[in-house]
Amino acid sequence: QVQLQESGPGLVKPSETLSLTCTVSGGSVSSGSYYWSWIRQPPGKGLEWIGYIDYRGSTNYNPSLKSRVTISVDTSKNQFSLKLSSVTAADTAVYYCARVHLGGDYLGAFDIWGQGTMVTVSS
Amino acid sequence: DIVMTQSPDSLAVSLGERATINCKSSQSVLYRSNNKNYLAWYQQKPGQPPKVLIYWASTRESGVPDRFSGSGSGTDFTLTISSLQAEDVAVYYCQQYYSTPITFGQGTRLEIK
Repeated sequence: QVQLQESGPGLVKPSETLSLTCTVSGGSVSSGSYYWSWIRQPPGKGLEWIGYIDYRGSTNYNPSLKSRVTISVDTSKNQFSLKLSSVTAADTAVYYCARVHLGGDYLGAFDIWGQGTMVTVSS
Repeated sequence: DIVMTQSPDSLAVSLGERATINCKSSQSVLYRSNNKNYLAWYQQKPGQPPKVLIYWASTRESGVPDRFSGSGSGTDFTLTISSLQAEDVAVYYCQQYYSTPITFGQGTRLEIK
């Protein structure tokens, strides 16, 4: 079955760029039936959608983070990635990658999630 | 942005009893063109990612026990667990995917009484 796995540094210094990669196994990021998304969860708090990308590289970002976020896709490696610039302690969170199951031309629910990776912003 | 508000924030229910969690959206998440409500429910256990239980407000995800059901339309939705089991202890989130930014409710913590 399809699995997603996040990878990247667990510690990032303030003002630097957080970089994470999500590797998709058992399926293809090139499928037109899905979008590929990042979601984060600060410790003890709720879920915040960061953005998503399709296999062609078209993106949609949360306006609250848009100025600092870049999501990209690498179909040759079956991966998609997140970059979040100018991080502060407020960006400390578990970062999840997830698959959006499209309903035709419409968005769908997040049907598959990675296990998540904890990223701490600290000097 | 569509604001999702869940109630209650926490809930304690006896084993075998019914648990009900409510979710209200600040605007309708019903698409008239296809008559679908763009609303999902997730279960998150400690140390685990969220798991989708219900989508389109009332469609149960494959493999989800039938004691979980979703109802509602427009702006008011309910997740019901008909007979609470010990393994249902978790935080439950509603989420709208009607428009971006995609937004979640604040979560409801469900415990055993």
